Parts: sequence; structure tokens; C-alpha cells
Amino acid sequence: EVQLVQSGAEVKRPGATVKISCKVSGYTFTDYYMHWVRQAPGKGLEWMGVVDPEDGETIYAEKFQGRLTITADTSTETAYMELSSLRSEDTAVYYCAMSRSWYNRLDPWGQGALVTVSS
Amino acid sequence: EIVMTQSPATLSVSPGERATLSCRASQSVNSNLAWYQQKPGQAPRLLIYGASIRATGIPARFSGSGSGTEFTLTISSLQSEDFAVYYCHQYNNWPAFGGGTKVEIK
Repeated sequence: EVQLVQSGAEVKRPGATVKISCKVSGYTFTDYYMHWVRQAPGKGLEWMGVVDPEDGETIYAEKFQGRLTITADTSTETAYMELSSLRSEDTAVYYCAMSRSWYNRLDPWGQGALVTVSS
Repeated sequence: EIVMTQSPATLSVSPGERATLSCRASQSVNSNLAWYQQKPGQAPRLLIYGASIRATGIPARFSGSGSGTEFTLTISSLQSEDFAVYYCHQYNNWPAFGGGTKVEIK
């Protein structure tokens, strides 16, 4: 069974950096792409970016360029999402999700990790 | 940037009735369209991909149709576990999600 298990909730101050992990099991890590999607409280889904774990190549949504870093560690089969210069509007649940190519359906998803940005 | 618009924002339906949800793309996404179901406190779950292909384990009461810019998700006979928020997602290029349709009990 394919599973994506994310790290726990985080509370950060404005201006700080958060790094969330997504540990995978049940499939070959480098065979699939890993996306990150976030959801602000009571709001819809927002795509952030994607990484190809085989070579580390990434594509980021323009909105997050310069603040977002997505990486993949093949030795631990874990993907990471790092967001810097946090502001209150970044308070959200952050999800990792798999796809078979750069642009494809997302399935399955991690359980989500709540990031709260507050002074 | 492709913008996805879902309608209605909220749909009130009685159990056993049919629900029809719409999703419109600002430009053609061919059949590169997926639908997800999300319940409170849970991650989204894939229902439909390729506009009309049910994902593994999804009941036959869920069906998808459309191509290009107009898409529909139909739930033929709503069950209690189907009351949730539904999102469409285009993956023809830069991924984009619709704003969601909440299906609530009438």
C-alpha cells in the first residue's frame, strides 16, 4: 500500500522558515513526482510546486518563486517543502501528493501538516 | 494561467437525489481534469481523472463527463457519506484547482 506520512504541526513567527517532510512507503520513490498543495483555513486548494525525485528538478508556482524550496532525499525516500519569509497568510494545511508525471492527477495524498504563522 | 471556476458554490440535496456539479476552464484543458472529494479534517481523495475515469475503489454512482472547457461531476444517488466538498483540478499544464462545491444535506 502506498503511504505518504507527513511531519507534524508547526507554529512559526512571521519572517521565519518552515520545513515539512513527507515520508513515502510502498512504492519506488523515484518513479513518481511529488507535489505540494496548501489549503488556508476554510479555503480551497492551492498548488505550490512539484519535484522529480530522480534528479531533483522542480517547478514552482509563480506566486511562490523565491520563497519556496522543494527537495527530495532518495536515501530516506522523503520529500521536503521549505517556505521562507512566512507571513500570516501562509497559515494553512500543507499537503504532499504523488503524480505519475509533471502534470497529472494527484493520488494519493499525505495527511496534511498545519502551519500556523503568528506573532 | 488557466482559471477553474466551479458552480454552484453550495448545493443542497436530499439523500437519494442526484447531484450535478460543474467546472469550467478559462481555456481548453483537453481531458486532463480530475475531481476530488474532501471531508472535514481529511485530505482530498481522488474520484475521477481523465475527465471520466473513476479512480480505484470509487463507487459507480460517481461519474464524470466533459472535455475542453466544460466538465461535470454527477453523483447519481447521494449517500450520507457523499456530503462533502468537491474540487476539480486541471493538469493540462500549470496545475490549478477550482474553488470547490460544497454538497450539503437539504
